[in-house]
Amino acid sequence: DTGVSQDPRHKITKRGQNVTFRCDPISEHNRLYWYRQTLGQGPEFLTYFQNEAQLEKSRLLSDRFSAERPKGSFSTLEIQRTEQGDSAMYLCASRGQGTEAFFGQGTRLTVV
Amino acid sequence: AQKITQTQPGMFVQEKEAVTLDCTYDTSDPSYGLFWYKQPSSGEMIFLIYQGSYDQQNATEGRYSLNFQKARKSANLVISASQLGDSAMYFCAMSLPPGGGSEKLVFGKGTKLTVNP
Repeated sequence: DTGVSQDPRHKITKRGQNVTFRCDPISEHNRLYWYRQTLGQGPEFLTYFQNEAQLEKSRLLSDRFSAERPKGSFSTLEIQRTEQGDSAMYLCASRGQGTEAFFGQGTRLTVV
Repeated sequence: AQKITQTQPGMFVQEKEAVTLDCTYDTSDPSYGLFWYKQPSSGEMIFLIYQGSYDQQNATEGRYSLNFQKARKSANLVISASQLGDSAMYFCAMSLPPGGGSEKLVFGKGTKLTVNP
């Protein structure tokens, strides 16, 4: 499968714990995005990488959130000291030279 | 600021009939892109169709067509010959102008389409 891959698909964690999600984009895509989607809403932009450089962050991305993309390949999104409000679907998307972004299947986070 | 409005929380259609999903957008920039994505219950966002703001003709992709009315700032999705597998959430989205920016997507709240047999 050559699409965008996200791991894990589901994560249940206790409030206050740290969690880390991984995204493997389509190999030739240099642009990578993270979005968050809560129930009944469309995805909201969190952050953007071009190669290994993080070029844009949303104000939604509090200081408990950090994202990396070492070597411009896979990316990780870490949430520290999780809160119940962090419960959501976290979507990763990658984009090459074309117009459309290709999304992974997402990581559904539940904070209990 | 860019904004996407989808006013239909849910739509129902009979199998083999056509359906139109509404989308209006707001931007002051003359250069933008409009997208429709399908999200089945599995969660993945599937790209359907794209329309650039300077494109002269409405975009079509198989059974999908985009009714682009620039003056009215609308970008409705038309699905012809609906199939049971079309049942899903549908999101309209807009990208910020190209040329140095992230071209991140701004999404509407979505429309849940149910195709009845």
